[in-house]
Order: sequence, then structure tokens, then C-alpha cells
Amino acid sequence: RKEVEQDPGPFNVPEGATVAFNCTYSNSASQSFFWYRQDCRKEPKLLMSVYSSGNEDGRFTAQLNRASQYISLLIRDSKLSDSATYLCVVTGDSWGKLQFGAGTQVVVTP
Amino acid sequence: AAGVIQSPRHLIKEKRETATLKCYPIPRHDTVYWYQQGPGQDPQFLISFYEKMQSDKGSIPDRFSAQQFSDYHSELNMSSLELGDSALYFCASSLKQGRVLEQYFGPGTRLTVT
Repeated sequence: RKEVEQDPGPFNVPEGATVAFNCTYSNSASQSFFWYRQDCRKEPKLLMSVYSSGNEDGRFTAQLNRASQYISLLIRDSKLSDSATYLCVVTGDSWGKLQFGAGTQVVVTP
Repeated sequence: AAGVIQSPRHLIKEKRETATLKCYPIPRHDTVYWYQQGPGQDPQFLISFYEKMQSDKGSIPDRFSAQQFSDYHSELNMSSLELGDSALYFCASSLKQGRVLEQYFGPGTRLTVT
């Protein structure tokens, strides 16, 4: 069982719609949480860090629920350029070794 | 803004050959990480260095070694290459301060072993 679990999707989303998805992590001692996006076997790109209080960056909102050990990402007003694989990532210690989920594929359609 | 630089971008080697991958972190970043991403898989952590010292080790084969130099660039040395080593190798860098270690990835080196 992976330490970070994600629904692989795909989530097919009409342009302009809202999409949300979660991931769960098994290590309760995990310290840092991130969402990355990855396009077509290119490098993972940091989308946002996820804080306990929740945070928003433009059309993207991330939430962390430590009690239930899940992280969520919500994308509002989806754009065609949001089509990508979204990777849920956690670190277990202060040295920052990243543990990746398998990714959630989002396909935004015209 | 300057990003992580990796070279070469593509590399083709034969079985049992050696390969050296290079990584130049974002200026002023003090920590370098190496990840391997096989086809259809998520990135797997290999090894990391902080201030030129190994800080953590993951699923790195004994055939591989790595180091970080005085200018903070890092090299991943791979020997006795096997077909299963064919993958994307990413380097990431971060600045170890504060609570959150945000890692920024380079474009990767695509290694093909034939």
C-alpha cells in the first residue's frame, strides 16, 4: 500500500467548471504537504504548499485535514491549460524526502 | 528566475556501461535531491545532499553513487547499467530554512539503456 493514495481519475471537467479531489496519507508524522502538477512526462512543478489553515492561490484552494490525514485541491473556473496530472506530495521528516502519490489526471474540455 | 539545470537531457547507454548525470541547483539553494521516475510510475526518491553532505538515502541501488560539490552542483554516477535503469532522473533543489521545504525540479535526464 502506498503511503500517499490518490484517485487516478481521469476527472473530465468542462471548461469553466470547478473540480475537487483528495489524497490520503498514512504517516501521521508527515510534516509538509504539497500539490505538484506534471505534464506529459515533464518535471513536476510545484503548484502550492498546503498549510494547516488552508490556503488559496488564485483559482486553486488547498486544504489539509490532519485528523483524517487527507489533503484536498479545488480548482475553480477550470482552464484548458489546467489539464495535467496533479501529484499529492508529503514529506515525513525535516530533510524533505518527498513521497508522491500516483497522481490524479484532470482533463479540461472545451 | 533561474531554475534547476540538468545535463544531459537525453542519454543512451548500453548495458553494463556507466553514466554520469549532472545537476546545478537554483542559486543559493543548499539541498539537492535525486529522484527516479520509471514509465507510468511516480517519482521515487534516491538520495539527497545538504551542504555537500549526504542527508538522506532512499531506494538507490549500490551501483549508483552521488555527491555534491563545493559549488553545490551534484552528480549521480551510475555503473553496470541495467535495462531497468531506463527512466527519467530528476534533480530538485531547496533552501533548508523554515518549516516547509519547497523543492523545485529540473527538467530531468531521460536515460535509455539498450
